[in-house]
Amino acid sequence: ILNVEQSPQSLHVQEGDSTNFTCGFPSSNFYALHWYRWETAKSPEALFVMTLNGDEKKKGRISATLNTKEGYSYLYIKGSQPEDSATYLCAFTKGGATNKLIFGTGTLLAVQP
Amino acid sequence: SAVISQKPSRDICQRGTSLTIQCQVDSQVTMMFWYRQQPGQSLTLIATANQGSEATYESGFVIDKFPISRPNLTFSTLTVSNMSPEDSSIYLCSLRAGDEAFFGQGTRLTVV
Repeated sequence: ILNVEQSPQSLHVQEGDSTNFTCGFPSSNFYALHWYRWETAKSPEALFVMTLNGDEKKKGRISATLNTKEGYSYLYIKGSQPEDSATYLCAFTKGGATNKLIFGTGTLLAVQP
Repeated sequence: SAVISQKPSRDICQRGTSLTIQCQVDSQVTMMFWYRQQPGQSLTLIATANQGSEATYESGFVIDKFPISRPNLTFSTLTVSNMSPEDSSIYLCSLRAGDEAFFGQGTRLTVV
């Protein structure tokens, strides 16, 4: 993988469903992987920054895992709520250019009540 | 954390005109970053703005099209010059605090 690839592009779920998204990134020269939640008309909000292979982080109902050797991260949302509706972005930074975030195109999540 | 105030939040502009987007930060920061998200595309870095020096532009972006000012450590502007419909995007300013990035609320620009 040369760029950051996110899937699916969009997802519609019912309230209470659990869901997960995938982020693929270049595995060479890895520095950090970031997840953001971006609601319409608001600033992107940082969810997680992960740097170590095998990292698992959790914030409430949202959690993320990281595999730097194979170049992927998963974001999980347990028991989705309508307020979880947003675009979820992942971004990758590489060693030697740690200020430069390389973003995927995002996963648009819509949670129906 | 940091608070970034970005304006305007949205604008509709005629082709051939220019728009200046402003970002004000509640603390002093060395570097600020400007991003663009065209429809269906990823957030893409336009340039990095350091106070007291010229901005550093990414491949595909030039100073004549996207001039940036950084007059002090709490403020930056990005101008989108001689606009065309292809410039219709969301523009975001950003800063880094450690490994975390903070963003303005974005400017949704439509060029007609």
